[in-house]
Amino acid sequence: DGGITQSPKYLFRKEGQNVTLSCEQNLNHDAMYWYRQDPGQGLRLIYYSQIVNDFQKGDIAEGYSVSREKKESFPLTVTSAQKNPTAFYLCASSPGEGSEKLFFGSGTQLSVL
Amino acid sequence: DQQVKQNSPSLSVQEGRISILNCDYTNSMFDYFLWYKKYPAEGPTFLISISSIKDKNEDGRFTVFLNKSAKHLSLHIVPSQPGDSAVYFCAASAIGGFQKLVFGTGTRLLVSP
Repeated sequence: DGGITQSPKYLFRKEGQNVTLSCEQNLNHDAMYWYRQDPGQGLRLIYYSQIVNDFQKGDIAEGYSVSREKKESFPLTVTSAQKNPTAFYLCASSPGEGSEKLFFGSGTQLSVL
Repeated sequence: DQQVKQNSPSLSVQEGRISILNCDYTNSMFDYFLWYKKYPAEGPTFLISISSIKDKNEDGRFTVFLNKSAKHLSLHIVPSQPGDSAVYFCAASAIGGFQKLVFGTGTRLLVSP
């Protein structure tokens, strides 16, 4: 079955620690995205990538980093510089230009110990 | 600055009745609008969309209406079913925005039997 796989489902971070959230898709989509959801708020864009080896900052990129070395994979690192990392993180993909419909993974809940 | 607003955080409806979820936007460059449905601890799933060249789009029990002059769209669910209970997000993308969707804060719909 084609889809987007996020792992782990739950993740705990200690103070000063970097953690990496995994996102893999087998939909052959060009574009991939990372969103963050906080309670009572909409989804906010962290980073997005239109093509392999290229990515752009979204609206709230500070304290995060990404890489796009393979078409299928778009990992997100939450660095120690992100002072409020507790949130639900969603990865998404889309076929690319001409398609606004995003397909989402099931999310990762990140909490700070 | 919240460009996409869903002013009702929650809505309760009886099974079989109509559910109307509202969304307002401020950016006149938005030309494509989508509704996503989200269950707890899961990623959003695409529900229905509408282009700015239309004022109505229908898919089964779901209809989206767009009023460009008022910068307002609404999602109608008829008849509502208990399985429709979820959080509904309105999203918009701008001309040339390459699927950079801007999401509203969501409306939690509860359909009671």
